[in-house]
Amino acid sequence: DTGVSQDPRHKITKRGQNVTFRCDPISEHNRLYWYRQTLGQGPEFLTYFQNEAQLEKSRLLSDRFSAERPKGSFSTLEIQRTEQGDSAMYLCASSPSTLYEQYFGPGTRLTVT
Amino acid sequence: GIQVEQSPPDLILQEGANSTLRCNFSDSVNNLQWFHQNPWGQLINLFYIPSGTKQNGRLSATTVATERYSLLYISSSQTTDSGVYFCAVERHQAGTALIFGKGTTLSVSS
Repeated sequence: DTGVSQDPRHKITKRGQNVTFRCDPISEHNRLYWYRQTLGQGPEFLTYFQNEAQLEKSRLLSDRFSAERPKGSFSTLEIQRTEQGDSAMYLCASSPSTLYEQYFGPGTRLTVT
Repeated sequence: GIQVEQSPPDLILQEGANSTLRCNFSDSVNNLQWFHQNPWGQLINLFYIPSGTKQNGRLSATTVATERYSLLYISSSQTTDSGVYFCAVERHQAGTALIFGKGTTLSVSS
């Protein structure tokens, strides 16, 4: 059973560009979560999916952010018109359901120049 | 919202020493997890422990849900234990998101 995978692992982009990240959860995990982590802080929740339905979004998820999980398997997180403040580690996690452990992927480190 | 406080923020140990990390939370929780974040940023699951005591090798954890705290014990520390330890909770009757503390940074020297 492979773990959660994320792609790319690193992304450097210029301010104003759009970026898209991919997350592949552990197979048969219904729940998929996105978090963002900035230097010296713990991860902060962005959004989560139960199968293909996006059930909760944090106020951190501005209009420039969009997430999808079209077939209830992998998910994508897109950031439009990137800003320097978007520089962070973007983490994906999955779990079988609530009241179960969340397992995290290795993250995508985004640098906006 | 729920507050998660971890202490101490930083800990420096000699190899072989024991340590206790603490996590206090301000409300009832469904889920509590301890993670170790390695230097490459990977969060490694240590314990899923909403209540009670668990042990895994040199590590053990105890959560006293009624008093809203959890403790992570590391015995006979090794240099590979270095990194950041996070406590994260899932709010009771709110589900879903894990709320993380700011972490304890552990440095173990040989």
